[in-house]
Amino acid sequence: EIVLTQSPGTLSLSPGERATLSCRASQSVSSSYLAWYQQKPGQAPRLLIYGASSRATGIPDRFSGSGSGTDFTLTISRLEPEDFAVYYCQQYGSSPPWPFGQGTKVEIK
Amino acid sequence: QVQLVQSGAEVKKPGASVKVSCKASGYTFTSYGISWVRQAPGQGLEWMGWISAYNGNTNYAQKLQGRVTMTTDTSTSTAYMELRSLRSDDTAVYYCARQGGGGTDYWGQGTLVTVSS
Repeated sequence: EIVLTQSPGTLSLSPGERATLSCRASQSVSSSYLAWYQQKPGQAPRLLIYGASSRATGIPDRFSGSGSGTDFTLTISRLEPEDFAVYYCQQYGSSPPWPFGQGTKVEIK
Repeated sequence: QVQLVQSGAEVKKPGASVKVSCKASGYTFTSYGISWVRQAPGQGLEWMGWISAYNGNTNYAQKLQGRVTMTTDTSTSTAYMELRSLRSDDTAVYYCARQGGGGTDYWGQGTLVTVSS
């Protein structure tokens, strides 16, 4: 089973700064099946990125995804106040299981 | 619009079972799968398993094998997740979510299951 490791655990940044989040897989993941989610306290997760780099419906273009193989990145180009949240990656390849990473918390510095 | 509406919060004793429902609307139910994900208090997301709404095929997380059953009722566009032999560490918010080739794109509101004696 693939294990996803996210880093850093917590990212302390100011609004307007750039955020770079990492997701590393224990074995190669098809880029077609790597997703990123945002979760705010008390809310369900929200799909941001699928297929490693495609933005989900309604997601602002300040969110971008990249990577292939075992290394993937979520970048938030300029943090808005509403972007402070926890972010998870997930591989959802051709067959389950589909584990999540442990999450990265983006907090206000 | 796509919606997944889950059943309400539950309080159960250790050893009991719980069954959570997830009613889908706004799309063709049998064209997607349903994933179940849980989140213990203050913890991350844990993938529990998946069911195809098309043919009922399932795949469960290894740690839950033997205790979890996922089913669907296509006549009502409803998915169900039953967890048996509940323990205190099963206390969590349980989410259903639509699963397609573009990831887990729509989520239910979550159902809090509390296991306590």
